[in-house]
Amino acid sequence: GENVEQHPSTLSVQEGDSAVIKCTYSDSASNYFPWYKQELGKRPQLIIDIRSNVGEKKDQRIAVTLNKTAKHFSLHITETQPEDSAVYFCAAGYGNNRLAFGKGNQVVVIP
Amino acid sequence: DVKVTQSSRYLVKRTGEKVFLECVQDMDHENMFWYRQDPGLGLRLIYFSYDVKMKEKGDIPEGYSVSREKKERFSLILESASTNQTSMYLCASSEGQGAYEQYFGPGTRLTVT
Repeated sequence: GENVEQHPSTLSVQEGDSAVIKCTYSDSASNYFPWYKQELGKRPQLIIDIRSNVGEKKDQRIAVTLNKTAKHFSLHITETQPEDSAVYFCAAGYGNNRLAFGKGNQVVVIP
Repeated sequence: DVKVTQSSRYLVKRTGEKVFLECVQDMDHENMFWYRQDPGLGLRLIYFSYDVKMKEKGDIPEGYSVSREKKERFSLILESASTNQTSMYLCASSEGQGAYEQYFGPGTRLTVT
């Protein structure tokens, strides 16, 4: 099956700075890479995703980049705000329907 | 909006009890999933179902079973609860074959004493 690794485990950033979280995956056949945000006490929610036919996707302050050759993809958050504090999970789609999740990154935005 | 609901937010059970966790989705999704979430371990797949009465084991199925009698409902069963099954349980659903985007329920925090 697919194995997804996420680094670093905890990331602290000053408000207004950028945050970058990187994930690696093992299965070269994977072609869908979502990022989920989970605020404290809430359900994970999809914030952005990318398919393997594109290298980058942006949505306002967040972007995801994909390097299929190196089998890694990254989440970029610019101009961080306190409401960006959360746990972020990356995942890779494999098989017909499954997602393999990373262990999650705690992002703390310091006001 | 996709709505995925779970029967309980918090549940406390005793060791050895049979426990049922229920999940319902209202978007006619074919795929449904059960995960457990533990600190530092991320989301680990217990079981999933891609159709009524169909199920497949995930990465950590031991100690669990599932039931899907209706398309909208997916149940997770702990036949004999143990303390190491104390965890957050998350249900999710997705549209169908090749549809990877999953929508999560609010979670059930299960404590086994």
